[in-house]
Amino acid sequence: GDSVTQMEGPVTLSEEAFLTINCTYTATGYPSLFWYVQYPGEGLQLLLKATKADDKGSNKGFEATYRKETTSFHLEKGSVQVSDSAVYFCALTYNQGGKLIFGQGTELSVKP
Amino acid sequence: GAVVSQHPSRVICKSGTSVKIECRSLDFQATTMFWYRQFPKQSLMLMATSNEGSKATYEQGVEKDKFLINHASLTLSTLTVTSAHPEDSSFYICSAFWTGRITEAFFGQGTRLTVV
Repeated sequence: GDSVTQMEGPVTLSEEAFLTINCTYTATGYPSLFWYVQYPGEGLQLLLKATKADDKGSNKGFEATYRKETTSFHLEKGSVQVSDSAVYFCALTYNQGGKLIFGQGTELSVKP
Repeated sequence: GAVVSQHPSRVICKSGTSVKIECRSLDFQATTMFWYRQFPKQSLMLMATSNEGSKATYEQGVEKDKFLINHASLTLSTLTVTSAHPEDSSFYICSAFWTGRITEAFFGQGTRLTVV
């Protein structure tokens, strides 16, 4: 079945460091891919998305490119801030009713 | 953007009692809502798909009689945890699928359930 695998956390970085969170997927079809962010005690917020191969999603300095050849959707940010500390989830959907399949989440902690 | 409101955000109940969690789409109609459960430091696991006016579709391994879902209107779905036990303690999150100008799932802020 379809699945999403993320790199294990927690990831601890200093402010202004470069961030990469790896995400790979297994899918039988051609899903849309998402990154969601969850701040402590809150629900999920959509961070960015890509709906087809080679699309790049970007938002708030974060980027991810839909790579069909490597079945990956790695999240990157050039310079992280303390306020980026959160849990990040990679997910996929076929947009058939909105059912999402999530990776296990990666906790990011950014220190001043 | 569209807003999904979940209530309560936090609830503590005694073993054996039932707890109802509400999920409302505030500014759009959602024929389909989803209920997820999140264990500490783990991902979100889909529990069930809630369809307005019909029975919910439960994922494998989720007890229908324990987690009652009602989607009585286009803006409200409820999850009732019946005869709660400490192992039901978890973070429950709903999402509503909006097929408006953009197609996206919007999430409620979640409910932290603690059963004592």
